[in-house]
Amino acid sequence: EVQLLESGGTRVQPGGSLRLSCEVSGFTFSSYAMNWVRQAPGKGLEWVSSISGSGGSTYYADSVKGRFTIFRDNSKNTLYLQMDSLRAEDTAVYYCAKDRGSGWYNNIDSWGQGTLVTVSS
Amino acid sequence: AIRMTQSPSSFSASTGDRVTITCRASQGISSYLAWFQQKPGKAPKLLIYAASTLENGVPSRFSGGGSGTDFTLTISCLQSEDFATYYCQQYYNYPYTFGQGTKLEIK
Repeated sequence: EVQLLESGGTRVQPGGSLRLSCEVSGFTFSSYAMNWVRQAPGKGLEWVSSISGSGGSTYYADSVKGRFTIFRDNSKNTLYLQMDSLRAEDTAVYYCAKDRGSGWYNNIDSWGQGTLVTVSS
Repeated sequence: AIRMTQSPSSFSASTGDRVTITCRASQGISSYLAWFQQKPGKAPKLLIYAASTLENGVPSRFSGGGSGTDFTLTISCLQSEDFATYYCQQYYNYPYTFGQGTKLEIK
């Protein structure tokens, strides 16, 4: 059974940093691209970032480019999101999500339960 | 970025109704479209991918159609557990983008 377990969400001040983790099990982690998707309170879903199975290719939404870094440790079956220069508008539940495969044109097929990040003074 | 527009944004229906939600892409995305269902306080759940392929375990009352720029999600006979918010998402290119969501409420 595929399982994705996010952690690291907390309250942080504007301008601060935070690292989210997503520990996975139930599949061969390195064979699948992974994503972070967020949802601000009462709002819709927003794709944040994706990373290939090897970690060699990464992609970002314009809203986080230059501030967030996605990376993975395939030996630890863990996905990360390093978030720097946080802003109030980054407040959201952050979901870790698995792609169906590793290359192009693979849809998200599994989601974690989410972790809440609150950016506030 | 490709803009995804869903309609309607919300509507009310009754159990047993047949409902259709539409999703329009601002440019052609072939069939690289997925539909997700989300209930309050829960993670989204994949229903349909490749525009019309039903995910394993999803009831057959859900169906998807379309290609290019215009897509539909149809629920043939609404059940109580189907009242939720539905999102379309394109995975044709980055940045991936979602529709704004369609909230389906009980009449």
